[in-house]
Amino acid sequence: EAGVTQFPSHSVIEKGQTVTLRCDPISGHDNLYWYRRVMGKEIKFLLHFVKESKQDESGMPNNRFLAERTGGTYSTLKVQPAELEDSGVYFCASSQVIGGPYEQYFGPGTRLTVT
Amino acid sequence: ELKVEQNPLFLSMQEGKNYTIYCNYSTTSDRLYWYRQDPGKSLESLFVLLSNGAVKQEGRLMASLDTKARLSTLHITAAVHDLSATYFCAVAATRTSGTYKYIFGTGTRLKVLA
Repeated sequence: EAGVTQFPSHSVIEKGQTVTLRCDPISGHDNLYWYRRVMGKEIKFLLHFVKESKQDESGMPNNRFLAERTGGTYSTLKVQPAELEDSGVYFCASSQVIGGPYEQYFGPGTRLTVT
Repeated sequence: ELKVEQNPLFLSMQEGKNYTIYCNYSTTSDRLYWYRQDPGKSLESLFVLLSNGAVKQEGRLMASLDTKARLSTLHITAAVHDLSATYFCAVAATRTSGTYKYIFGTGTRLKVLA
């Protein structure tokens, strides 16, 4: 079974540019989460999808961040325009809805550097 | 707001020694997770603890949960170099909708010296 995949693995962009990160969850997983880790800090929750619906987006930093999950499969996270403080590693995770304990499976992350 | 604190943040230890990583959280939860992350890799699930007094062991790692004290520990026995990694704990908080939100600690960066 394929795990959670993320693309790209690394991205270096200039301040003011746009970047789109992609996450492909494990097939059949309805829950999809986005997290961000700034170097040395905790992994912070950004957003939670259940299928194509946003269940909780309370962690999104501001309106420069836009997440979508069309059709309830893969998800994209767009940052526009990027700022220096957006640098970090963006993780995606997925889990099943039914049953427990809702263990999350993580992707390898996208390291975003804004210069 | 639910907060999760881990300590220590950094841990350098000699091979063969024992040590414990602590994870404190600020509100009621009955689901606690431990993950391991190697540099540049995804988070790997180590343990899922679901009830007060739960104890799970895998090799040289043992995790426990005390929901009354809101504390989980990850104990390392006779450390070996291969255990060098960053370890995260995470707590699941129940939303009013019945779904879960996961709050992570800051991570403990473990380095085992030969």
